[in-house]
Amino acid sequence: DIQMTQSPSTLSASVGDRVTITCRASQSISSWLAWYQQKPGKAPNLLIYKASTLESGVPSRFSGSGSGTEFTLTISSLQPDDFATYYCQQYNTYSLTFGPGTKVDIK
Amino acid sequence: EVQLVESGGGLVQPGRSLRLSCTASGFTFGDYPMSWFRQAPGKGLEWVGFIRSKSYGGTTECAASVKGRFSISRDDSKSIAYLQMNSLKTEDTAVYYCTRGLRAAAGKYYFDYWGQGTLVTVSS
Repeated sequence: DIQMTQSPSTLSASVGDRVTITCRASQSISSWLAWYQQKPGKAPNLLIYKASTLESGVPSRFSGSGSGTEFTLTISSLQPDDFATYYCQQYNTYSLTFGPGTKVDIK
Repeated sequence: EVQLVESGGGLVQPGRSLRLSCTASGFTFGDYPMSWFRQAPGKGLEWVGFIRSKSYGGTTECAASVKGRFSISRDDSKSIAYLQMNSLKTEDTAVYYCTRGLRAAAGKYYFDYWGQGTLVTVSS
């Protein structure tokens, strides 16, 4: 299986901050990467697919980049609704795998 | 509006079976692959398996951790996907989510809509 890692595991930030989360794959996954946001007690919500394509309805302050083995999710100006846990997920192979998550909390 | 509603979760003893259902609405169910994911309490997300649409053979893939114990099926006439779970173990305790898949390319699927999840607790 392809192993996914994320850094940092926790990120403390303030409203208005620019936030960047990094996701790395153990082997090349081209651009077959999705990002999800999950709030406590809720299902994950798709933010970005194919590494950089914003899902319909997702605010433009979210953006994704990268290819191969290194990817980033950026929130350009953190809003109160953005405090949540973020997961990357590769879909290059049938055995889909997630990163361990990055929790974004209030500084 | 796309909706996915899971049902069938609950408390079950180790070694027993349980079948989860995912009832879909708001889209042409038969046109889409469907997948199951799970999340153990306080843990991250884990893919369980998925089933392709009939136009791509309706075949299934399952994670190694559940292969041989879990199976996925679908009834397009009722817009329902199923997750049959046999020989349950305590480590299968989790919230199980049903999702709708999108085929990005051959063998590449991502998942845009998720149900609210149903809790399965495996304990004696």
